[in-house]
Order: sequence, then structure tokens, then C-alpha cells
Amino acid sequence: EIVLTQSPATLSLSPGERATLSCRASQSVSSYLAWYQQKPGQAPRLLIYDASNRATGIPARFSGSGSGTDFTLTISSLEPEDFAVYYCQQRSNWPPEITFGQGTRLEIK
Amino acid sequence: EVQLVESGGGLVQPGRSLRLSCTASGFTFGDYAMSWFRQAPGKGLEWVGFIRSKAYGGTTEYAASVKGRFTISRDDSKSIAYLQMNSLKTEDTAVYYCIGERDGVDYWGQGTLVTVSS
Repeated sequence: EIVLTQSPATLSLSPGERATLSCRASQSVSSYLAWYQQKPGQAPRLLIYDASNRATGIPARFSGSGSGTDFTLTISSLEPEDFAVYYCQQRSNWPPEITFGQGTRLEIK
Repeated sequence: EVQLVESGGGLVQPGRSLRLSCTASGFTFGDYAMSWFRQAPGKGLEWVGFIRSKAYGGTTEYAASVKGRFTISRDDSKSIAYLQMNSLKTEDTAVYYCIGERDGVDYWGQGTLVTVSS
């Protein structure tokens, strides 16, 4: 099983600051890496797929980068609504499996 | 408007069965793979399994933790996906989400809570 490790576990920042979230895979996942945002009591929302493609309707302040084993989600200037938990997710073709990182909690400083 | 509505959750005893349904509207259901994820209370996200669209064979894949106990199926004529859960364990307690996915687009339901307890 491919293990995804997210860092940091918690990130405390202020609105307007830049957020950088990391996700490291235990083996290469090529570019099959997605990022999700989840707010309390809500279903997750897809932000980024295939490492760097923004999903429909996602603001340009969200960007993803990386390939292989190291990936980054960047939020260029935090808005109040961005404080949430963020998960990375990988999809492998063989064996077919999907795994998530443990999440990064982005909180208001 | 795209909607996915899960139903069938509730309280069930260990060892018993439960079937969840996911009713879709607002998109071409048959063109989408349908996945199930779950989230235990206060925990992270876990993949349960998915069923491919008929165009990709309609085949299924499962997480190791549920393989042999859970079965995913679909009825494209009714735009419904199912998750049949047998031999339930206390560790299966979670909110179960269904997701329709295709080419970087995904639609999520709001989830249904399954509690496995005696």
C-alpha cells in the first residue's frame, strides 16, 4: 500500500498569508495526486487533480505542484473561508487502490 | 443541479448486513465511475471501493479492509449505486460518502452515518 504523509499536521496562519502544504508518497505515484478541502460537517471538495490541475470552480489562489513522491499545495493569499482540513489522495492502477494522507489542519492564527 | 443522495444508513449490530443506496441526478450517471469513501468519527478519509462505468467494463475494486465483505453495484437505468455491507464490524462505523467521478470532475453526496454497535 502506498502511504501518504502530510506535513505539517497543523498550520497556523493569518488571512492574507501564503500557505504551503506538503504531501510525500512512500513510492512514486507519478502525477496521480489530488488535493481535497474539508470543512466541519461537510463533504470534501476536490481542489486539485493530477497534481496541478485545478478542479472546476476552484479559485486561482489554489495551486498544486510536484510529481513522483513529493507534492505541494499552495494557497497564495489566505481567505477566511480557506481555514479547513486538507487531504492529499493518490490513485494507483496496480494494484488498484486509493489512499489518503492523514490531513493538514489549517487554522487561523 | 447535480445531486447525490445517500440513504440506508443507521444503527446495526456487529455481524449483520446493511445496504446503502446512492441516488444521482443532474449528470449522465452511466458515464461516471461511482466510488464509496468513508470517514470514521473525528478521523480522516478512507477509500472503500469503486465501480467503473460500463464503458470501462463496469468492474469493481475494493480496499483490503472491506474486500470479501462489501459489494458495490450500479443500476444505470435508475441512476443508483449500491454498497452492500455484510459481516459488519464495529470499525466500519463511519459516515459513508458516494462520489461520481470522471476526468477530473467529482460529485459528492452529503454522506450517511453507519453505526455498528451492539
